Amino acid sequence: DAKTTQPPSMDCAEGRAANLPCNHSTISGNEYVYWYRQIHSQGPQYIIHGLKNNETNEMASLIITEDRKSSTLILPHATLRDTAVYYCIVRARSGYALNFGKGTSLLVTP
Amino acid sequence: GAVVSQHPSRVICKSGTSVKIECRSLDFQATTMFWYRQFPKQSLMLMATSNEGSKATYEQGVEKDKFLINHASLTLSTLTVTSAHPEDSSFYICSAETRRDGENYGYTFGSGTRLTVV
Repeated sequence: DAKTTQPPSMDCAEGRAANLPCNHSTISGNEYVYWYRQIHSQGPQYIIHGLKNNETNEMASLIITEDRKSSTLILPHATLRDTAVYYCIVRARSGYALNFGKGTSLLVTP
Repeated sequence: GAVVSQHPSRVICKSGTSVKIECRSLDFQATTMFWYRQFPKQSLMLMATSNEGSKATYEQGVEKDKFLINHASLTLSTLTVTSAHPEDSSFYICSAETRRDGENYGYTFGSGTRLTVV
């Protein structure tokens, strides 16, 4: 699976959009980009995933560049409860686990 | 949506004893489940992949005789930490792969088990 690079930490003011970047320059054509988050002492929570088109759901939007070498997770109106570690993961094949990097620790401040 | 129930959420055990952690898929069948371990301020580390009806596949450095995994049904996988020692104290998390029409449709995680060995 392709390696991902994320900033170790970010801050965001409550109510503002949080834009979390992820680089995955070695991504293959059949690899998806997954985003999960982990709130302290809980299991990871699925946010969104995509292949090449931009995706949006009730939690977030995922913007993938045309060359697919990077992506951005957007939380449109961050709340204090969005404070968590966010993981960007690239994975291809079924039956194989997600491999977690260090992620980005997002702190949403009042 | 898919739900994975993990039990217990916390356990304290004495050194030398064994602890069993259960992971259940509540509303779907999970052919494949995964077990992770997470130490403080670190990321999740994959321990093993569990397939229903077959032996688990362990990651390098994970002792299969110490961390016994059983996946006897499509809704239940168990991890038993045998002869636990203080260095086994960690946060253990299970995950199940959800499939649709034979293709991966995502992963659902349990809420984790905080194991403390004293």
